[in-house]
Amino acid sequence: QVQLQESGPGLVRPSQTLSLTCTVSGVYISSGGYYWSWIRQHPGKGLEWIGYIQHSGTAYYNPSVNRRLTMSVDTSKNQFSLNLTSVTAADTAVYYCVRESPKKGRAFDVWGQGTMVTVSS
Amino acid sequence: ETVLTQSPGTLSLSPGERATLSCRASQSLTSSYVAWYQQRPGQAPRLLVSGTSNRATDIPDRFSGSGSGTDFTLTINRLEPEDFAVYYCQHFGGSPPWTFGQGTKVEIK
Repeated sequence: QVQLQESGPGLVRPSQTLSLTCTVSGVYISSGGYYWSWIRQHPGKGLEWIGYIQHSGTAYYNPSVNRRLTMSVDTSKNQFSLNLTSVTAADTAVYYCVRESPKKGRAFDVWGQGTMVTVSS
Repeated sequence: ETVLTQSPGTLSLSPGERATLSCRASQSLTSSYVAWYQQRPGQAPRLLVSGTSNRATDIPDRFSGSGSGTDFTLTINRLEPEDFAVYYCQHFGGSPPWTFGQGTKVEIK
């Protein structure tokens, strides 16, 4: 059974860097074939895809956060990570790490439980 | 970037009734890349349907997806109490960013 688990601080100061890690179990990131994404949800709002990374390290970011976002992958730990710099209150959200699968059409088929991140001084 | 507009915003129904949720796109979509998700309060979203009409693992057959072009539909037959939730459509276009509809809330009437 594939599972994803987010970890990281729940509170980040404005202008600082938000760093989250997703630990994957049940499948090896290094096996390829999937995209590993971060999706966030502002309080009471809808879903926003912010970026993905592949096992090779190739990443693509949503232009809405492009200049502030860096994603990385550590296949030895079976983890991928997010670094979002210069955060503001607008980055307060629940952050989900998610697997994108190409099977039966593309879809986000496995989701982490989500982690709430608040940006506040 | 394709805009997905879901309607209605809120659907008030009773258990046992049928729910019909619409997702309309600003341009024609590739059917293989249209998915629907359910989000219950306090939970992460979960995949219901991929490729327009393929139910995900362990999803009951009262959920069905259909559509083509710019109009896609999620139908829930015989609503169960656990089906009252928010539903999102989503599309993978030719290139990122991937987009979601704004959601339809199915609430108990």
